[in-house]
Amino acid sequence: GQSLEQPSEVTAVEGAIVQINCTYQTSGFYGLSWYQQHDGGAPTFLSYNALDGLEETGRFSSFLSRSDSYGYLLLQELQMKDSASYFCAVKGAAGNKLTFGGGTRVLVKP
Amino acid sequence: DTEVTQTPKHLVMGMTNKKSLKCEQHMGHRAMYWYKQKAKKPPELMFVYSYEKLSINESVPSRFSPECPNSSLLNLHLHALQPEDSALYLCASSQATNPTSSYEQYFGPGTRLTVT
Repeated sequence: GQSLEQPSEVTAVEGAIVQINCTYQTSGFYGLSWYQQHDGGAPTFLSYNALDGLEETGRFSSFLSRSDSYGYLLLQELQMKDSASYFCAVKGAAGNKLTFGGGTRVLVKP
Repeated sequence: DTEVTQTPKHLVMGMTNKKSLKCEQHMGHRAMYWYKQKAKKPPELMFVYSYEKLSINESVPSRFSPECPNSSLLNLHLHALQPEDSALYLCASSQATNPTSSYEQYFGPGTRLTVT
């Protein structure tokens, strides 16, 4: 089976940096994805890591260590619009299947 | 066009009703998905269609019946649902069907279903 753990909630102020950690246990592993979901909205794709290392996309970066079964999403220069839930998701042995972590609710304060 | 559309946006149905949820994408994606999401929880995969064939059924009760009439459309037929089936039902699509691809899943806005 698959299980992913991430913190349930993080609060930070505008301009700050937030790191959301994700640890996983899977029966097969192809990659780790991150999705953002605003309240009442649909999940939207942020990043995907298949290999170890850091992927940077604007203010957001994602890191993967396959040997540690660990990844993180780094949100820099936080803005109010970044208040949302962030999910890590593993693409495992079953091909197209994504298994999501419980989600981290990020609250950005002025 | 990078949009997945879903209808209806909201649906209220009784336990004896039959209804259908619809999903459409025109991105040429060959994989389509149904997820169920409860409040403050992550999306849970229900079904995966790959090249219009059902490839994954996550042991979903038979009161949920998926259908893929063509490569752009995905339906979810609902019958004799229970109040605990009330949730946000999300449709998604992705370009590739092989596990090594990095292609993202594009989600629709969802149908908020209430079973009374």
